[in-house]
Amino acid sequence: GAVVSQHPSRVICKSGTSVKIECRSLDFQATTMFWYRQFPKQSLMLMATSNEGSKATYEQGVEKDKFLINHASLTLSTLTVTSAHPEDSSFYICSARDLSLEANVLTFGAGSRLTVL
Amino acid sequence: GNSVTQMEGPVTLSEEAFLTINCTYTATGYPSLFWYVQYPGEGLQLLLKATKADDKGSNKGFEATYRKETTSFHLEKGSVQVSDSAVYFCALSSSGNTPLVFGKGTRLSVIA
Repeated sequence: GAVVSQHPSRVICKSGTSVKIECRSLDFQATTMFWYRQFPKQSLMLMATSNEGSKATYEQGVEKDKFLINHASLTLSTLTVTSAHPEDSSFYICSARDLSLEANVLTFGAGSRLTVL
Repeated sequence: GNSVTQMEGPVTLSEEAFLTINCTYTATGYPSLFWYVQYPGEGLQLLLKATKADDKGSNKGFEATYRKETTSFHLEKGSVQVSDSAVYFCALSSSGNTPLVFGKGTRLSVIA
């Protein structure tokens, strides 16, 4: 089945620095990837839809200058948290579909836990 | 817009007890319905799915039936195990390459 790899799984950074999270589709191409954020004990909030070769589509309330998304190839999307602050600490999860397989099944990465000190 | 409502947890059960986690949805058209599971410290894994009315998804002893008349997709398992302790998310997806809409998740704890 489809596999989505996410890296790093955990990252700790100082306030004010930037952190990049990578999301790769293994063995399939993904023209679209989705980035979610999960707060403790809460559901997943869709942050943005990452589109290969074009700008990401951000959900209402998500700062596009804060959360930079780049989808430069059919297998890689990156999320960069710029000038991170403690309130950005969260669990970030990416997902994608292998459209050659069953329709509408989203495969998720294992997530990246960001802690900003 | 589309939305998913699922019962709030946490749910605590003894091993071998019967599990039901309720899920209802609001959507236009004919969405696909999913249950995802998140084990502690991990990402989400697809547990089961159903793509049309009256379909029954099943996996690892879990079942859910797509009920269009009641707009529901309740998750059930006849005998839970300690290893089933996790957070369960009900979700829906419209047609096309669109993101999933999730319920808030239900934390299940199974004690021996």
